[in-house]
Amino acid sequence: NAGVTQTPKFQVLKTGQSMTLQCAQDMNHNSMYWYRQDPGMGLRLIYYSASEGTTDKGEVPNGYNVSRLNKREFSLRLESAAPSQTSVYFCASSVGSVSGYTFGSGTRLTVV
Amino acid sequence: QKEVEQDPGPLSVPEGAIVSLNCTYSNSAFQYFMWYRQYSRKGPELLMYTYSSGNKEDGRFTAQVDKSSKYISLFIRDSQPSDSATYLCAMSAGAGSYQLTFGKGTKLSVIP
Repeated sequence: NAGVTQTPKFQVLKTGQSMTLQCAQDMNHNSMYWYRQDPGMGLRLIYYSASEGTTDKGEVPNGYNVSRLNKREFSLRLESAAPSQTSVYFCASSVGSVSGYTFGSGTRLTVV
Repeated sequence: QKEVEQDPGPLSVPEGAIVSLNCTYSNSAFQYFMWYRQYSRKGPELLMYTYSSGNKEDGRFTAQVDKSSKYISLFIRDSQPSDSATYLCAMSAGAGSYQLTFGKGTKLSVIP
């Protein structure tokens, strides 16, 4: 019963470096999401995938790209990391748009 | 005015107290209302899920929604130290809307 698995758990990048955050769910959920959580800002949606084969921008998509690799996996890529992207990143999944979300345990990213 | 307002606290109560957590919102299209609990350095976990106005009870937890006042509440009876966490309200306009809007969270400490 793994739920939503995120890797890595921690990462330090230098400005300009790229990296991909991985997310996988084993609940046969249709929809997957990427959020970032910053102090005083709450959870903000970066991108989401309503179903396999589709992706859409959320509230704060700039500087990020996503890939819905298959029904289980949804990755988030930072092409050229900036200090403003220092945050905790959460992946989540749900059956559909009106069901509750299951979150992963997060990736703590620091860009120096 | 922000779409969802939530008092960040911190809120500190003695063990056994009744806790009241609240959110107000401005978007009258919201129909689905959730409460998530987030322990330190963990992902949010779904606690309560309600549709439209009314009450829902689950053990020591009661969620209330008053759509006419655009106000939702979470009550915790007989609070325990294990309830110490940040509580996030979240809401959605419903089917087809994949953008769950979160409050910034209220940090609760239950003192033994």
